Parts: sequence; C-alpha cells; structure tokens
Amino acid sequence: GENVEQHPSTLSVQEGDSAVIKCTYSDSASNYFPWYKQELGKRPQLIIDIRSNVGEKKDQRIAVTLNKTAKHFSLHITETQPEDSAVYFCAASKDFGNEKLTFGTGTRLTIIP
Amino acid sequence: NAGVTQTPKFRVLKTGQSMTLLCAQDMNHEYMYWYRQDPGMGLRLIHYSVGEGTTAKGEVPDGYNVSRLKKQNFLLGLESAAPSQTSVYFCASSRPGTLPRNEQFFGPGTRLTVL
Repeated sequence: GENVEQHPSTLSVQEGDSAVIKCTYSDSASNYFPWYKQELGKRPQLIIDIRSNVGEKKDQRIAVTLNKTAKHFSLHITETQPEDSAVYFCAASKDFGNEKLTFGTGTRLTIIP
Repeated sequence: NAGVTQTPKFRVLKTGQSMTLLCAQDMNHEYMYWYRQDPGMGLRLIHYSVGEGTTAKGEVPDGYNVSRLKKQNFLLGLESAAPSQTSVYFCASSRPGTLPRNEQFFGPGTRLTVL
C-alpha cells in the first residue's frame, strides 16, 4: 500500500518568514495530494490540494509543489502569521474508487511573534 | 447544516468493556471513514465505507468493527477495549469524484481513554 513520509516533525519560524514542509510518497499511481491543517483541539480541515497533472498550485500565502518523478510534494507558507500555528498533514490518494487518504505523520508549525 | 457530528465527545472505558462511536453526516455523502489519531502517528484509517451497507478494512482494523446501515450514519464498535485503543477518533465523509477537490470533511473527534 501507499506510504507517506513527512518532514520535519516540528518547525518553528519567525513571524513573517516562510515555512516549508516536505512529503514523499511511495505509490506512483497516487494522483491526488491534499494538505490538511489541524489547530489545537480542532478537527483537520483541507487547506490546499494538487493533482498529478499540475506541478504547482497557489492560494494566497500558501502554495503546493509536486514532483511526480521524484514522488515528493511540498507545502510553502509565505509571510507567516500567528494563526498559521497548527499541525499540518500531507496525504496521498488515487482518484476514483474508494479515494482513501494515506496521511503523513504531521508537522507541528509554531510561529514565533 | 451540522456537517459531520460525532457522539460521544469523551469516554473512559475499562479494559474489556465495549462501546460504539456514532458518526452522522447531513451532506448526503457516499463515502465515510473512521481514523484514529495518535501522537507522532498522524491519522490512520481504521475502516471505511463507500456506500450504505458496505464496509472495508483500512490500515489498522484489528479490534474494531463498523456498520453502515443508513447512508448518513457510520458506527465504530470496540468489542473488548484495550489500553492500546486509547486515542482520538475522527470520522470523515466525502462525495466521490468531486472535482476539482476530493475534500474529506471531518467530525470534531472523540477522545477515548481505556484504563
């Protein structure tokens, strides 16, 4: 089955700086890669996603890049703000069928004011 | 719309006791999932369902059973709870083949402690 590895497990950045979280996946058939954000004590929520036919996607201060050949994808957050502090999970799945998500182990991002 | 709801929010069990966690969604989603979340382990899929009356095993199914008798409900059962099942349990639902994103909507979670 699919295996998703995520690094780093913890990340602290100064407010205003950029943060990058990286994930690798093992199943070359995976073609959908979402990122979920989980604030303390809350439920995970989708913040951005990318499909394998796209190399990069941007939504305001967040962006995701995908390298299919190397089987890795990354989340980029620019101009970080205190409200960006949370745990971020990457995931991978295949379109159609059961659409099961395999999650990475998470990155705890702390923004230092 | 309430979205995805879970009952109960918290529960403490003794080893060997049984319980059922209830997940309900009012979005008419076909797919439903049960995950457990443990520190440093991320979210791991326990069981899932692609429609009423169907269930399938996920990554960590041992010790759990599920039922999907109604489209809007997905039940997770622990027949004989063990301390290793202490975790936070999340239910999620999604509508298949939704383009451009296949968003899974999560419930608020159930914190279960097994003593």
